[in-house]
Order: sequence, then C-alpha cells, then structure tokens
Amino acid sequence: AQTVTQSQPEMSVQEAETVTLSCTYDTSESDYYLFWYKQPPSRQMILVIRQEAYKQQNATENRFSVNFQKAAKSFSLKISDSQLGDAAMYFCAYSETSGSRLTFGEGTQLTVNP
Amino acid sequence: DTEVTQTPKHLVMGMTNKKSLKCEQHMGHRAMYWYKQKAKKPPELMFVYSYEKLSINESVPSRFSPECPNSSLLNLHLHALQPEDSALYLCASSQDRRSNQPQHFGDGTRLSIL
Repeated sequence: AQTVTQSQPEMSVQEAETVTLSCTYDTSESDYYLFWYKQPPSRQMILVIRQEAYKQQNATENRFSVNFQKAAKSFSLKISDSQLGDAAMYFCAYSETSGSRLTFGEGTQLTVNP
Repeated sequence: DTEVTQTPKHLVMGMTNKKSLKCEQHMGHRAMYWYKQKAKKPPELMFVYSYEKLSINESVPSRFSPECPNSSLLNLHLHALQPEDSALYLCASSQDRRSNQPQHFGDGTRLSIL
C-alpha cells in the first residue's frame, strides 16, 4: 500500500521569506501523480500544485514550486515570498494512474508571521 | 469562490434524526466524492461516484447512504449517527476518475452529533 509522510507537523515563516515543506512517499509504481493541497481555516481544500511522475521537470505555479526527487521518493513544496494568506494546513497527496483514490499525508500547519 | 457547493455549512443533529448533506457542481465533472475529515487530520475517502454509479465504497457504515441523482448532484443521507461521526464532510469532483485530473473540493459541512 502507498503511504505519504509529512514529517513536519508545524512550520513557521516570516512574511516575504521562503519556506520548504517536506513530503516523502512510498510506492512500487513507476507512474503516478503527486499533489499539494492547501486547507485554510475556511475549510476548502485548494489544489496548489501537481506533478506527474513521468515528467522530470519540477512543477511551478507562481510563488509555489516543487522539488521532485523520484529516486528518493521525495516531493517538497517551496513557497517563496510568503504572504499572510499562505497560512494554512498543507497536505501532500499521492494518486495512482489507474484510479482516483488520493492518499494524503498527515499535513503540515504553516504559520506566517508578519 | 468554490465551484463545488455544499449545503448546509453546519448541521447539528441528534442520534435518532435523519438528515441529508448536499453537494452540487456545474463544471461538467463526471466523478464525485465524499470525504470525512476529523480535526487536524487528512480527509478520509468514503465514496466515489463515476458517471452517476457508485464505484468505491470504503467500507462505510450503512448509517451513511450516498445518492447521485444526476451528474451535478451528490447527496449523503444520514440516519442513526453516532457521536464519533461528528466531523467535517467534504465533497469533491473531478472531470472523471483518471487521477491526472485534480479533484475540486467544496467548503464542507461541519456535522455535530449530539
């Protein structure tokens, strides 16, 4: 069974600085998808970024980028120029190509300090 | 603004009540999902509907009964719930069950069982 591990239950960052959230996963598949979702106190899960395992190029979405290391099974999220609105719970998630089941990590609570 | 709308936002019910949670999307998505989320935990998949047919039931107790009347609507009927069923219930949708299509989440219904 696939597992996703987020080893940092809580992180904090100063506004305008950069922070990296860690995620590792375990799978025997060669092709799969990885996601980072953000859940602010408003409760909605918002897709931040996604990566397809067969693509070597790291995904980027504005201030958000990933460092995808397939051999190490690592998928970290870097947030640049942190803003107060980035404060949220961040979940790393894995999905096989053959189905729709998302396996989530336990989450990292990010605090942004002014 | 969320493209997946859930009602009600909050629900308090007794253990003998019958109530329903509703979810609606107008993005033309053909896969819809119900998740249960406890505080500070990741969402747990309950049900998946694909083209209005139930395709995944994660061994959910029968006191939870899903229904998909059409491609835009997803209901979750509740009956004889237990206090441990108190949680945030999230609905999501995706273009179809292929996992490269990201899931879009609603704001959730906060359910409290007295």
